[in-house]
Amino acid sequence: AQSVAQPEDQVNVAEGNPLTVKCTYSVSGNPYLFWYVQYPNRGLQFLLKYITGDNLVKGSYGFEAEFNKSQTSFHLKKPSALVSDSALYFCAVRVAYSSASKIIFGSGTRLSIRP
Amino acid sequence: NAGVTQTPKFQVLKTGQSMTLQCAQDMNHNSMYWYRQDPGMGLRLIYYSASEGTTDKGEVPNGYNVSRLNKREFSLRLESAAPSQTSVYFCASSEVASGSYNEQFFGPGTRLTVL
Repeated sequence: AQSVAQPEDQVNVAEGNPLTVKCTYSVSGNPYLFWYVQYPNRGLQFLLKYITGDNLVKGSYGFEAEFNKSQTSFHLKKPSALVSDSALYFCAVRVAYSSASKIIFGSGTRLSIRP
Repeated sequence: NAGVTQTPKFQVLKTGQSMTLQCAQDMNHNSMYWYRQDPGMGLRLIYYSASEGTTDKGEVPNGYNVSRLNKREFSLRLESAAPSQTSVYFCASSEVASGSYNEQFFGPGTRLTVL
């Protein structure tokens, strides 16, 4: 079955430290991978995506993600965390579904940055 | 440019009542989606519309119906609300009809409580 997993419900990091939010996936064919962020009482906002090419993808707000095909992972990273990065983060993967494509979302990881 | 808008923002229903959630986008996107978000379960696709005039079931369609009124608008109807439909509902849109690898843009959500 095609799926995406976020193994950590919550990640806690001190401001200024590097952060990593983990994501692994299982798809048939080439994976198209996404990260979204959700701030309280808001809809999801697109951060970045991997389609093909360079394994290190850069996105909004200083975030980047590393695609690792052998480990089927797509971890989200940032070199220096900010308190304002505190939010709910979703990894997602495009899958084929019926006659069209859709995105499957992970269960989300709550990132908490302490001052 | 408002992006994706949803009405209402909040709604409380009694079991058995019906209601329609409205969604509109002004980005001229072909595809539109309805998701529900429940704690610890990420986002689950209810219905989607790959293009104007077409609709298709997602992962959790039971108890819902949709109408793609025109290219801009995609409504979600609960004919007979049940407590299990208490959730936050998000509408989204994307540029490519098949979903492809283009990111989705999300509305602010509707918080629905069914008593």
